[in-house]
Amino acid sequence: DGGITQSPKYLFRKEGQNVTLSCEQNLNHDAMYWYRQDPGQGLRLIYYSQIVNDFQKGDIAEGYSVSREKKESFPLTVTSAQKNPTAFYLCASSRIAGGNTGELFFGEGSRLTVL
Amino acid sequence: GENVGLHLPTLSVQEGDNSIINCAYSNSASDYFIWYKQESGKGPQFIIDIRSNMDKRQGQRVTVLLNKTVKHLSLQIAATQPGDSAVYFCAESNQAGTALIFGKGTTLSVSS
Repeated sequence: DGGITQSPKYLFRKEGQNVTLSCEQNLNHDAMYWYRQDPGQGLRLIYYSQIVNDFQKGDIAEGYSVSREKKESFPLTVTSAQKNPTAFYLCASSRIAGGNTGELFFGEGSRLTVL
Repeated sequence: GENVGLHLPTLSVQEGDNSIINCAYSNSASDYFIWYKQESGKGPQFIIDIRSNMDKRQGQRVTVLLNKTVKHLSLQIAATQPGDSAVYFCAESNQAGTALIFGKGTTLSVSS
């Protein structure tokens, strides 16, 4: 089945540790995205990438880092510089047509809790 | 910056009623709008989308209306069912057209 796979689904870490969340897609989509969701809130854009080896900061990139070495993969690292990392993290991908995004396909999310 | 918001955080309806969820957006240059449904603990699922060259689009039991004059987007759900209970998000394309900006969401509760 084609789709977006995020892992792990749940993750607990101690304060000050870096954490990497995995996101893989087999939809052959060019673009991939990371969003953060806090309780009762909408999704806020962290980073996105339209092409391999290139990515752009979203609205809340501070304390996060990404890489896009392969088309299928877009891992997100939550660094110790992120002040409030406990959240639900959503990865998505989309086709790009004429430089513009269309529908985003989302994974099932990774819930990170920092103790 | 860009901002997409929803008028009401919660909406309660009876099974069989029609539901209308509203959304206001701020970027008059946005050319793509989309509605998602999110169930608890899951990723958002696509419902319906619309480009700025249209003012109405219909799907199965859902209709999206776009009023560019007042920068307003709405989602209409016909004959609402208990399975429609979820959080609904509207989103618009960012200025570059390269990502989606989401509103805060409306929680729809459907009672039998």
